[in-house]
Formats: sequence, C-alpha cells, structure tokens
Amino acid sequence: GQSLEQPSEVTAVEGAIVQINCTYQTSGFYGLSWYQQHDGGAPTFLSYNALDGLEETGRFSSFLSRSDSYGYLLLQELQMKDSASYFCAVRGLSGSARQLTFGSGTQLTVLP
Amino acid sequence: KAGVTQTPRYLIKTRGQQVTLSCSPISGHRSVSWYQQTPGQGLQFLFEYFSETQRNKGNFPGRFSGRQFSNSRSEMNVSTLELGDSALYLCASSPGTGQNTEAFFGQGTRLTVV
Repeated sequence: GQSLEQPSEVTAVEGAIVQINCTYQTSGFYGLSWYQQHDGGAPTFLSYNALDGLEETGRFSSFLSRSDSYGYLLLQELQMKDSASYFCAVRGLSGSARQLTFGSGTQLTVLP
Repeated sequence: KAGVTQTPRYLIKTRGQQVTLSCSPISGHRSVSWYQQTPGQGLQFLFEYFSETQRNKGNFPGRFSGRQFSNSRSEMNVSTLELGDSALYLCASSPGTGQNTEAFFGQGTRLTVV
C-alpha cells in the first residue's frame, strides 16, 4: 500500500515563505504531486515532481527526494489567497496501487 | 475545454435511502475516480473506472458502487445511507494511461444524510 504524512496545520504571515513537508511510504510510484483546495472548492493541481530535485512554478516550488522518501511544497511571497488546504499525492505504478493516493492535507493559514 | 461536471451539487437524504451521483469527465479522458472527503479525513479513494471497467477499488463497503458508460460519464451509488456517509464526494478525471498523474476534479456533490 501507500501512505503519505503531512503536518495538519501551518500558519504564516503575508509575504513570508512557508514549507509544507510530505513523507511517504510506497512500493513504487511515478512521482509526487501537490494539490490546493480552498474551502468549499475542488482540489486543483499545483505541481508535480517525477524526478528528484526542485521544480519551480512561479511563487510555488516543489521538491522530491526518493532516497529520503520525502518531498515538500514551498510557497513564497505568501498572499492571503494562499490560505487553503494542500495535499501531496502519489500514483502507484500498477495494479491496485494505480489510483492517486493523497495525504491527509495541511491547512495553511496566512495572517495579515 | 469544459471541466469536470458533477451533479447534483447538494443533496439531502434520509437514512436508509439510496443516492446516485453523476460525473462527466473532461472530453477525451477515459479514467474517472471517486473520492470521499470528510472533515479531517482527507481524500479517501472509493474507486476508479477506466473504459467502462472498474480498475481499482478502495476500502469501502459494498453499499458504495459505481459504473462508467461508453461516453466515459460515471455514476456512483450509495445504498442504505448512513449518517456517516455525509461527505463531499469528488470525482476526478484523467487520461488514465501512462504515468500522467494530474487529476482534474469536479466541484463535488455535498451529501447530507439526516
């Protein structure tokens, strides 16, 4: 099976940088994805790491280290609109593991 | 390109009833996955359909079932509703082949069981 762990809550102030960690246990996966979900909204795709290293998309960056079974999402220049839940996810390679498995989510609160 | 459409958006049912939720994926996507989301529980996988076949199933009782039609539209059914079935039910659409991992979610159906 696959399992992912994230902190349940993170708080930061506007303009700051915040890092949301994700540790995982899996027998194999294509890559690590990140999704954002605002209250009452649909999860939306943010970032994907197929290989180890850093991927940058505007104010958001995501990192993966397969050897450490660890990844993180980095949000820079935080804005109030970044207050949301953030989920890491992996898709297994085959069979019953092929579905997208999500972590339990991190609630980010951005304070003025 | 139209997004993922789920209907209805909101639903109130009483215990013991059954309910059917609908999901229309993005055109060309053959995989539809269903998730249950409850406060503090994250996104729990229900099942995935690909080309009209159930490809994967999560750890939910048999009261939860689904199907997919030839146009890739999918329905999920919950029979003998329980209070604990109150949740946001999300449908995710993806091409379904290879290592493509991005899933596109609908707005969800919020089911309340009273």
